[in-house]
Amino acid sequence: EAQVTQNPRYLITVTGKKLTVTCSQNMNHEYMSWYRQDPGLGLRQIYYSMNVEVTDKGDVPEGYKVSRKEKRNFPLILESPSPNQTSLYFCASSLAKRQDTQYFGPGTRLTVL
Amino acid sequence: EDQVTQSPEALRLQEGESSSLNCSYTVSGLRGLFWYRQDPGKGPEFLFTLYSAGEEKEKERLKATLTKKESFLHITAPKPEDSATYLCAVQGYSSASKIIFGSGTRLSIRP
Repeated sequence: EAQVTQNPRYLITVTGKKLTVTCSQNMNHEYMSWYRQDPGLGLRQIYYSMNVEVTDKGDVPEGYKVSRKEKRNFPLILESPSPNQTSLYFCASSLAKRQDTQYFGPGTRLTVL
Repeated sequence: EDQVTQSPEALRLQEGESSSLNCSYTVSGLRGLFWYRQDPGKGPEFLFTLYSAGEEKEKERLKATLTKKESFLHITAPKPEDSATYLCAVQGYSSASKIIFGSGTRLSIRP
């Protein structure tokens, strides 16, 4: 089954404790992206990647890091999380030539205390 | 700066009562305008892409249209299962592969 998986689905952590949210897709998609979703602000793009070793900033990259060492994986790293990074995070993927048709993961709800 | 504004924020309709959702956008050279549907607790699901003014796309009770400044998602004779949040997004030529989403319209259909 074609899918995007994220782990963990729920995470409660404390300020400053480094964490990684994993994202994996099984559709051989070149384009992958991370979003955060906050009430009233909608989905905001954090980082995106056009292919292995090619990443670029979205609208809200501050406080986040990404890497794309393999085509199927695109982890999101918060090196020193802060309470304002409490949010619902989505990973998405698509073919490079069809970035409109993104397949989204189930989401990761992160709470930073 | 690319921008997307959706209205209304929330809309409650009776089953069978047709209506339209609005998406106003500002982008330097539109590469594409996308509509997604999001159910509670789930990731967005792709509906349509529109590329140029005058274009229309249809899927069941949904029809999306595009002008140079806005897009409409028309819902004809909606059913309770159409209840969801509808998201609009744009991608411009000047912003490489960045995608900008609006904050969505929460649609509720009463039986």
